[in-house]
Amino acid sequence: DGGITQSPKYLFRKEGQNVTLSCEQNLNHDAMYWYRQDPGQGLRLIYYSQIVNDFQKGDIAEGYSVSREKKESFPLTVTSAQKNPTAFYLCASSNEHSNEQFFGPGTRLTVL
Amino acid sequence: SQKIEQNSEALNIQEGKTATLTCNYTNYSPAYLQWYRQDPGRGPVFLLLIRENEKEKRKERLKVTFDTTLKQSLFHITASQPADSATYLCALDLTGGSYIPTFGRGTSLIVHP
Repeated sequence: DGGITQSPKYLFRKEGQNVTLSCEQNLNHDAMYWYRQDPGQGLRLIYYSQIVNDFQKGDIAEGYSVSREKKESFPLTVTSAQKNPTAFYLCASSNEHSNEQFFGPGTRLTVL
Repeated sequence: SQKIEQNSEALNIQEGKTATLTCNYTNYSPAYLQWYRQDPGRGPVFLLLIRENEKEKRKERLKVTFDTTLKQSLFHITASQPADSATYLCALDLTGGSYIPTFGRGTSLIVHP
């Protein structure tokens, strides 16, 4: 099956710890994105990558970091510098010929 | 500043009726507008895209209109079913034809049997 996967679905961390969220796609899409969603809020763009080994900051990049070493993978690290990390994190991908975004199932991160 | 507005109040309708959701935007002329469905605890799923030169687009029981003069899109679900209950997000291109949409907060639709 083609698609985009995120793991884990639920993640708990202690305050002050870095945590990495996984995102993998087998759709052969060039572009990948990370969004954050808080209750009652729209999706806010954290980082995006249009091609391997290149990525750009989105609207709320502070306290986050990413890498894009492979086309299929776009992991997101939530660092201790992120002041309010508890949220629902969504990864998405798209190809260069379409504006349609394909989303993963999301990871719900809770920082205790 | 650019802004996307969707009704924050849930829309409650009876099964079989037509649901109409609204997406308004300000201060920009997007090249396209998209609608997504999101179920609780899951990622959004793409439904329809309409471009600035299109007035209307249909897909099965779904219809989207795009009025660039009013800066508004209407999303219709005809013959609604309880399974249509979800949050519906509109997303706009606010950066001049890029493939990175900006999302609204979404409107919750509840279809009662």
